This record gives sequence, C-alpha cells and structure tokens, in this order.
Amino acid sequence: EVQLEEFGGDLVQRGGSLRLSCAVSGFTFRDYAMSWVRQAPGKGLEWVAGLSASGTSSYYADSVKGRVTITRDNAKNTLYLQLNSLRVEDTAVYFCAKDHPGAMVRGVFDYWGQGTLVTVSS
Amino acid sequence: IQLTQSPSFLSASVGDRVTITCRASQGIGSYLAWYQQKPGKAPKLLIYTASTLQSEVPSRFSGSGSGTEFTLTISSLQPEDFATYYCQQFIAYPITFGQGTRLEIK
Repeated sequence: EVQLEEFGGDLVQRGGSLRLSCAVSGFTFRDYAMSWVRQAPGKGLEWVAGLSASGTSSYYADSVKGRVTITRDNAKNTLYLQLNSLRVEDTAVYFCAKDHPGAMVRGVFDYWGQGTLVTVSS
Repeated sequence: IQLTQSPSFLSASVGDRVTITCRASQGIGSYLAWYQQKPGKAPKLLIYTASTLQSEVPSRFSGSGSGTEFTLTISSLQPEDFATYYCQQFIAYPITFGQGTRLEIK
C-alpha cells in the first residue's frame, strides 16, 4: 500500500525557517518525481515545488523561488522542503505528492499525503 | 499558464448530470488533470491527459477537451460526489491549478 506522511509543520514567526519531511512507503521512491503542494486556509491548491526522481532537477513556483528548497534522500525514502524567510502568506497545509507512473504524465499526482500545517505568525 | 474554472460554485441534486469547465490561458494540448477534494482530506486524482480515467474512479466521471478548453462531467451525481473539483495543467512548470469548483447539494 502506497503511503505518504508529512512531518514538521509548526507555528513559526515571520522570517523564520522550517523543514518539512515526507516519509513514503509502498513504492520504489527513487523511481518517481515528487512535489509539494500547499493549500492556504479556505483557499485552493497551489503547487510549490517539484523534484526529479534522481534529485538533480528541481522546479519552483514564483511565489517561493529563492526561499524554498526541495530535496530528497532516496536511501531514506524521504522528501524534504526547506522553508526560509517565511511570510504570513506561506501559512497553509503542505501536501507531498507522488508523480503518476504513466508515460507523458510527469506532474500528475496519483498519491498524496494528508498534509502538515505550517502557520506563520506576524 | 492560468486556468479558470467555471462555475466557481454549483448546486445540484443527486442524479443530476453536471459539467465543470476549465479554460487555459494558452494551449496545453491534453496535459490536463482533474482532482476531487473533500473537506479536511487530500485531493484525489480523477482524470489525467484530459480524458483518461484514473484507476478505480467510477465511470460516471468523464473528461474531454484539448488546447484551451476542457470539461469534467459527472453523469449522475451520487451523494459522495459533493466536493470541490480542481483542474491542473502539467505541460510546463510551474504547474498550476484552477481556482476550484465547489459542488454542493441542492
């Protein structure tokens, strides 16, 4: 059974930092690109960052570029998101999501974690 | 690439046929997916490449379109279908989602 579980959400002050983790099981982690998607309270979905299976290619939303780093440890089956210079508008539930295995569907997410809440106070 | 869904809110009854539209600000071929999200839960993939039904998703869900205009249709609404629906483009980074369509029981 595929499982993704996020950790690390917390209440942090504006300007602070936080590292989120996503532990996965039930599939061969090193074979799949992964992403982080967030959802502010009562709002829609916003893709934040994506990382190739090997970890060599990363992609970011303009809203977080320069403040966020996505990484992975394929030996530990874990995805990370380092959040720096946090802003009040970064307050959201952060989901990790697995890429679909189908051909030509990179960036489609077939499994998601349940999310971890990051709250940035002013 | 901006995605605009319409309507943003939809009220319907069990058994109704409903259609949600997603328009892209530029052509994206068939690189469009649809997700369903219920309150407090993670999104669930329904359809990808505009019209391919994800495994184990009921056949009352269908998708169509290409280029800049896409639709998600639910042929006969069931109680468990009342949720928020999002379209998403994956032709290019940054990946973007539509603003969502909230489907509620009439």
